[in-house]
Amino acid sequence: DGGITQSPKYLFRKEGQNVTLSCEQNLNHDAMYWYRQDPGQGLRLIYYSQIVNDFQKGDIAEGYSVSREKKESFPLTVTSAQKNPTAFYLCASSIATGHRGGYTFGSGTRLTVV
Amino acid sequence: SQKIEQNSEALNIQEGKTATLTCNYTNYSPAYLQWYRQDPGRGPVFLLLIRENEKEKRKERLKVTFDTTLKQSLFHITASQPADSATYLCALDGGATNKLIFGTGTLLAVQP
Repeated sequence: DGGITQSPKYLFRKEGQNVTLSCEQNLNHDAMYWYRQDPGQGLRLIYYSQIVNDFQKGDIAEGYSVSREKKESFPLTVTSAQKNPTAFYLCASSIATGHRGGYTFGSGTRLTVV
Repeated sequence: SQKIEQNSEALNIQEGKTATLTCNYTNYSPAYLQWYRQDPGRGPVFLLLIRENEKEKRKERLKVTFDTTLKQSLFHITASQPADSATYLCALDGGATNKLIFGTGTLLAVQP
């Protein structure tokens, strides 16, 4: 079955620690996205990538970094510079940016700072 | 920048009734609008897309309308069932940015 796999489902981070969230898709989609979801707020775009080896900052990129070395993979690193990282993180993909088909989302990673 | 408003209050309805959710937007008119369903602790699932030149779109028990004059989309679920209980998100194209902009979602609770 084609889809997006996010791991881990739950992640705990200590203060000052970097953590990496995994996102893999087998849909052959060119575009991939990372969103953050907080209670009472809409999905906020962190980073997106339109093609391998290229990515752009979204609306809230500070404290995050990404890479896109393979078409299938778009990992997100939450760095110690992100002051309020506790949130639900969602990875998504689409055939291309601007394509009118819907996004396919993963099941999310819930990150908690301990 | 584009702003999207969805009713933040939960919508409670009785099984069998029609649920109607609202999505209002400001500023420019999007070329298309999408609706997603999100269950607790899961990622959103794409339901329907409607284009600016379409007034209405249907899929099984779902119906979406798009009024570019009112800058509003309505999402209807007919003959609602408890299994329809979820949060429903609307999303608009971001224009020149080629990215979707999501609303905060409305929680629908269908009582048996």
